[in-house]
Amino acid sequence: EAQVTQNPRYLITVTGKKLTVTCSQNMNHEYMSWYRQDPGLGLRQIYYSMNVEATDKGDVPEGYKVSRKEKRNFPLILESPSPNQTSLYFCASSLSRLAGGTDTQYFGPGTRLTVL
Amino acid sequence: AQKITQTQPGMFVQEKEAVTLDCTYDTSDPSYGLFWYKQPSSGEMIFLIYQGSYDQQNATEGRYSLNFQKARKSANLVISASQLGDSAMYFCAMRETFGNEKLTFGTGTRLTIIP
Repeated sequence: EAQVTQNPRYLITVTGKKLTVTCSQNMNHEYMSWYRQDPGLGLRQIYYSMNVEATDKGDVPEGYKVSRKEKRNFPLILESPSPNQTSLYFCASSLSRLAGGTDTQYFGPGTRLTVL
Repeated sequence: AQKITQTQPGMFVQEKEAVTLDCTYDTSDPSYGLFWYKQPSSGEMIFLIYQGSYDQQNATEGRYSLNFQKARKSANLVISASQLGDSAMYFCAMRETFGNEKLTFGTGTRLTIIP
């Protein structure tokens, strides 16, 4: 089944304790992206990757890191989480338009993070 | 910069009626893609329908159709014969053509279907 998976789905942690949220897709997509969703703000992009070893900042990158060592995986790293990073996080992937792909981005199930 | 506006924070609709969710957009890019996603209470983002800026016909997917009026920069979602399972948040989004292919989202409309 074609899908985007995220782990963990739920996480409660404390300020300053490093964490990683994994994202994996099995559709051979070039493009991957992380969004966060906060009430009243819709979804905002954190980081994106056009392909392996090609990552760049989105609209709200502060406090986050990413890496893209393999095409299928795009982990989100919070080196020192703070309470303002409490949010619902989505990973998404798609074929790249530059590669002639379609437009649709497919989303993972979401990770609900609480930082105390 | 791109912007998506959804002016209806919430809507209540009787079951089996049709419903229109409004979306207007702003972009200077001549080529773009417009999307609607559904987010049920379980939280996942479900792709519903897509419209390309150069598509001549309005997109349709089952009970969903997109009323695309390019000159007015609107991309309203129409759900025909609404069902209880349609109760959810609905997000309109736009995708840039080149460079960062991110989706810019509106703030969403919460649709509640009344039995």
